[in-house]
Amino acid sequence: KAGVTQTPRYLIKTRGQQVTLSCSPISGHRSVSWYQQTPGQGLQFLFEYFSETQRNKGNFPGRFSGRQFSNSRSEMNVSTLELGDSALYLCASNPMGGMNTEAFFGQGTRLTVV
Amino acid sequence: GESVGLHLPTLSVQEGDNSIINCAYSNSASDYFIWYKQESGKGPQFIIDIRSNMDKRQGQRVTVLLNKTVKHLSLQIAATQPGDSAVYFCAESPLGSARQLTFGSGTQLTVLP
Repeated sequence: KAGVTQTPRYLIKTRGQQVTLSCSPISGHRSVSWYQQTPGQGLQFLFEYFSETQRNKGNFPGRFSGRQFSNSRSEMNVSTLELGDSALYLCASNPMGGMNTEAFFGQGTRLTVV
Repeated sequence: GESVGLHLPTLSVQEGDNSIINCAYSNSASDYFIWYKQESGKGPQFIIDIRSNMDKRQGQRVTVLLNKTVKHLSLQIAATQPGDSAVYFCAESPLGSARQLTFGSGTQLTVLP
């Protein structure tokens, strides 16, 4: 069974640009959560999607957005990039998004903003 | 202003010894807890989880202890091996599931030969 796939693995963007990251969850998993990991703030929850609907959102500005498609694949978008957006962006898939089930993480997309 | 890097606690243990990694969680309403291991360049990898109605759970070479009174979680690794060297994170779930996790700052475990 394939794991969580995130593309691209590495990305370099310029301040002011926008970026779209992709996450394909484990087959059959319907919940996808996104996290930002930085040395300064650690791992922080961005948002979670289930059945194409955003169910929860973390404390991030509106420049951070996401969506989920009918096949459960998810994308997140960051507009008007800032230097502080440089981070490892991780996506996690969860079987049913239900109670007490572990989340499986992808390897992440390393975004560098210059 | 500039962001300051998180102070990552470190733990060094001799190969073969037992390791204990501690975590204080913040939300008294959290009822699901997970330990993750993250190796350099990789995403977090599930180790073991525990629900709030339990105080101990054992896996292969790992044990998680939960003390809700003081909001403390610990991970015990038996017979630590070089492959256990990584950053370990505890995560708590305020929604009773793993779909929205609040992570601790992590502990760097180094296994010495």
